[in-house]
Amino acid sequence: EPEVTQTPSHQVTQMGQEVILRCVPISNHLYFYWYRQILGQKVEFLVSFYNNEISEKSEIFDDQFSVERPDGSNFTLKIRSTKLEDSAMYFCASSEDGRGVYNEQFFGPGTRLTVL
Amino acid sequence: GESVGLHLPTLSVQEGDNSIINCAYSNSASDYFIWYKQESGKGPQFIIDIRSNMDKRQGQRVTVLLNKTVKHLSLQIAATQPGDSAVYFCAEARSNDYKLSFGAGTTVTVRA
Repeated sequence: EPEVTQTPSHQVTQMGQEVILRCVPISNHLYFYWYRQILGQKVEFLVSFYNNEISEKSEIFDDQFSVERPDGSNFTLKIRSTKLEDSAMYFCASSEDGRGVYNEQFFGPGTRLTVL
Repeated sequence: GESVGLHLPTLSVQEGDNSIINCAYSNSASDYFIWYKQESGKGPQFIIDIRSNMDKRQGQRVTVLLNKTVKHLSLQIAATQPGDSAVYFCAEARSNDYKLSFGAGTTVTVRA
């Protein structure tokens, strides 16, 4: 069964450093997403991406965040200057092109980001 | 603000019993409601969804009920098994956008 994969599984970084979280969505999916989950809290939407551009983003997704699809398979989330409060589990998800019909989002296993 | 949430943060169930997990929502514009299961160290896993023009949908051992009058969503798990131990999230979505808005989660623990 196809699945979303993410690397690394755990990233430790110093405050102020840049991190790039990587995701490989399911190959025939066209919509990509990033969510985060602070420990013990609910999953929060960050950004959705379609046709090489951001389709929607939340208030959390400020200028420190960016997303990119550098090639035909990878989808990345970059945090330019990490803060302590960026420590969380980051989930990538993907879905088929539904064109107005809800499509199931498949989630990856997540990357745990720890900012020291 | 509008949000999706769950009534209880924890639920302890005897193996073999039925589980009922509840969720209240406030966004009447939502078109779809989804239940996700999250096991420790893993990402959310889709269980079942229901559209706003339905009030009940059944899957394998699971049933989702939607009461739009009181804006209430529930997940029923029949004959709960140890593998059902996880955190369960309800989420809402609208057909005009694709983001999911998650509730706070209910931790289900199955007692042997």
